[in-house]
Amino acid sequence: DADVTQTPRNRITKTGKRIMLECSQTKGHDRMYWYRQDPGLGLRLIYYSFDVKDINKGEISDGYSVSRQAQAKFSLSLESAIPNQTALYFCATSEGVRGGYEQYFGPGTRLTVT
Amino acid sequence: AQTVTQSQPEMSVQEAETVTLSCTYDTSENNYYLFWYKQPPSRQMILVIRQEAYKQQNATENRFSVNFQKAAKSFSLKISDSQLGDTAMYFCAFMRYSGAGSYQLTFGKGTKLSVIP
Repeated sequence: DADVTQTPRNRITKTGKRIMLECSQTKGHDRMYWYRQDPGLGLRLIYYSFDVKDINKGEISDGYSVSRQAQAKFSLSLESAIPNQTALYFCATSEGVRGGYEQYFGPGTRLTVT
Repeated sequence: AQTVTQSQPEMSVQEAETVTLSCTYDTSENNYYLFWYKQPPSRQMILVIRQEAYKQQNATENRFSVNFQKAAKSFSLKISDSQLGDTAMYFCAFMRYSGAGSYQLTFGKGTKLSVIP
């Protein structure tokens, strides 16, 4: 079974709709991240969380919000989706200072906003 | 802020040959990590190799090795004996080790590598 899962894998939605992307991990890691990938731009950090009570904005947080429901769950919400939020979204986890720094990525969610 | 530059948007290599992907970065930090990630058509992000800045020895993982030049802020990836399965996007990434923004990855824009049979 995959250590980092994302649901849904693909989603098409309309402008103005609220949408939530979910991430779950079984690795027991404290740190979780949400990235966005656009063609020609690489991955950019949206939000990150170092534990359940810690939420931090990344490079491109405008238009997004997150919720860390538990150590294993980190959700990304688009309150009112717009077409330029069409992208591939990745969730990632890492163990933290005591354990290391490598980030493990989920399979990605392809979101299309029409 | 840290920046990562991959100057080769696309490259190709014959199967069994060797190819080198370039990456430069800009930072004022002394302690950091560098990574190469591979993204095949399946879109999964896969760690290929990592380098700690405090280590002078270049990292090696089977057919993958790096040439880390700290003073020049250069971190190139060499793939030896290229295989068809190496066809993918390759991303260079930087991670700050301490202070504000630590343990966050900053990615380059990627190099699309095609291995030709």
